[in-house]
Amino acid sequence: AQKVTQAQTEISVVEKEDVTLDCVYETRDTTYYLFWYKQPPSGELVFLIRRNSFDEQNEISGRYSWNFQKSTSSFNFTITASQVVDSAVYFCALMGNTNAGKSTFGDGTTLTVKP
Amino acid sequence: DSGVTQTPKHLITATGQRVTLRCSPRSGDLSVYWYQQSLDQGLQFLIQYYNGEERAKGNILERFSAQQFPDLHSELNLSSLELGDSALYFCASSERQGIIGTDTQYFGPGTRLTVL
Repeated sequence: AQKVTQAQTEISVVEKEDVTLDCVYETRDTTYYLFWYKQPPSGELVFLIRRNSFDEQNEISGRYSWNFQKSTSSFNFTITASQVVDSAVYFCALMGNTNAGKSTFGDGTTLTVKP
Repeated sequence: DSGVTQTPKHLITATGQRVTLRCSPRSGDLSVYWYQQSLDQGLQFLIQYYNGEERAKGNILERFSAQQFPDLHSELNLSSLELGDSALYFCASSERQGIIGTDTQYFGPGTRLTVL
């Protein structure tokens, strides 16, 4: 069975602060993919990143960065110099090669960035 | 705009009724995925179709069914509706089968279903 845990239900920061969203996963698959999605107040889901289980290289995209550590089964997401527009619910998700196509989502972390 | 369209945007109906949600994938995408997002259950994967065939199944109730048509649009049918079926239903599409997560999924704006 697959499981994704986002222990932080809500986080509130002041603009320009850095913030890290935690994601811990469980899977028995040896090959799997991890995802982060953003759901702004408007409700749509926006894909942010995909990382496969064989690539532990950290990735940076502008103010966003991701830290994948297979040893601790974590895939954390950091926003640097947060902005009000970053306020959203962020979901971490896992897809294994067993029953490929089925994604398991965490419960989401609600990030509020205050001006 | 992801290129995935869903209709209707909002749907209000009564318990016991049946509704059909429609999804048109991005041009060229062969896979369609359906998700349910509710306050109780969070975001859950329901089912995936690839080029007309069912490929992966998640937590989809027996009262729910889906299909993908030759023109690749998909419909999610919800029957004998209950209050707990009230949720936001998302459709997503991807280019290929999504095997080993090789595909990025692009989400539609969702259909908000309210069962009274």
